[in-house]
Amino acid sequence: AQKITQTQPGMFVQEKEAVTLDCTYDTSDPSYGLFWYKQPSSGEMIFLIYQGSYDQQNATEGRYSLNFQKARKSANLVISASQLGDSAMYFCAMRDLYTGGFKTIFGAGTRLFVKA
Amino acid sequence: NAGVTQTPKFRILKIGQSMTLQCAQDMNHNYMYWYRQDPGMGLKLIYYSVGAGITDKGEVPNGYNVSRSTTEDFPLRLELAAPSQTSVYFCASSYSITGDNNEQFFGPGTRLTVL
Repeated sequence: AQKITQTQPGMFVQEKEAVTLDCTYDTSDPSYGLFWYKQPSSGEMIFLIYQGSYDQQNATEGRYSLNFQKARKSANLVISASQLGDSAMYFCAMRDLYTGGFKTIFGAGTRLFVKA
Repeated sequence: NAGVTQTPKFRILKIGQSMTLQCAQDMNHNYMYWYRQDPGMGLKLIYYSVGAGITDKGEVPNGYNVSRSTTEDFPLRLELAAPSQTSVYFCASSYSITGDNNEQFFGPGTRLTVL
């Protein structure tokens, strides 16, 4: 069965520093996708980054990078040079591409606080 | 290009009332989804659709119904509202479900309270 675990309910980071948000997953599917979404206090869900299980390189999107360690089943989000506007809830999500089809499961989220 | 739009933004229902949450997208996406987000939790899939006329249940479909008569619209119907349906509801759409461009684009959400 699919499972996503985010073990950090909340994290603090100093402005301009890098921060890593942890995500571990479990699946028996040979092909899957991993996503990170940001949810600011305004409530909308914003797509940040995607990593396919067969992608050879770690995904990067601007200040966001995904540290994908397949053997350890982890997909940590790294935010470089944190900004005050990065304060938000962050969700890790996974979709099994072979058997899961349309079902994307989400972790419980990590709330990030960026300090000035 | 409005993306995914949802109406209303807020609604208070009495127990037993019914309502329809509207969702529309203008990106010509075949795949559309309804999620609910309970306080302090991640999202759970209620229903999804792979195209006009085709819908199926997600993780938590009880108490809800959907229809997909057009590519653009995917309304969610609540019949006989219960306090357990108090939640924030998100509609989403995606171009594909595999490979590139399979990320989901979300609407702004509808905050529903059932009293």
